[in-house]
Amino acid sequence: KQEVTQIPAALSVPEGENLVLNCSFTDSAIYNLQWFRQDPGKGLTSLLLIQSSQREQTSGRLNASLDKSSGRSTLYIAASQPGDSATYLCAVKYNFNKFYFGSGTKLNVKP
Amino acid sequence: EAQVTQNPRYLITVTGKKLTVTCSQNMNHEYMSWYRQDPGLGLRQIYYSMNVEVTDKGDVPEGYKVSRKEKRNFPLILESPSPNQTSLYFCASSTGSTRAFFGQGTRLTVV
Repeated sequence: KQEVTQIPAALSVPEGENLVLNCSFTDSAIYNLQWFRQDPGKGLTSLLLIQSSQREQTSGRLNASLDKSSGRSTLYIAASQPGDSATYLCAVKYNFNKFYFGSGTKLNVKP
Repeated sequence: EAQVTQNPRYLITVTGKKLTVTCSQNMNHEYMSWYRQDPGLGLRQIYYSMNVEVTDKGDVPEGYKVSRKEKRNFPLILESPSPNQTSLYFCASSTGSTRAFFGQGTRLTVV
């Protein structure tokens, strides 16, 4: 059974700090991996998508890496801001249409 | 604007009263799916569709039905809702290899 684990479950940092969120998965035969952001009472917003053949993707202050052999992905957020406060979800896709989600990391960036 | 639209956003109903949650996407995506999100259990797939008239069960399909008569629409049907179906529901669409787009969510309470 495919499992996706995110550590830590919650994280509180002061504004301006660089931080890393972790995602691990048990089956390395992935199709792709996405990082999502979820704000309270809102839907999921896709932040970055990494295909199985890629090692990393960058968008602005965000950088996601993928190491299939070790079953790990990290989301790096540079110079964090209070507006980054949200829950971050890692989702692994093993076939065309099925995601396996982690439980998320709830991030709080303090002004 | 590319989007996935769910309706209603909030719904309170009584046990056994049939209901439908609608989902529509404007991106001509082949793949659509439904998820439920519960505290401590994360997001779990209910049903998915690879194209018109092609649907299949996800991890938690019991008590739900879907249909895909048109490419843009993928309604979720609860024939006889029960309290254990109280949850936050999300519809998603994608082309399979690209980013997934999620709706804003439908918060369902069954009393």
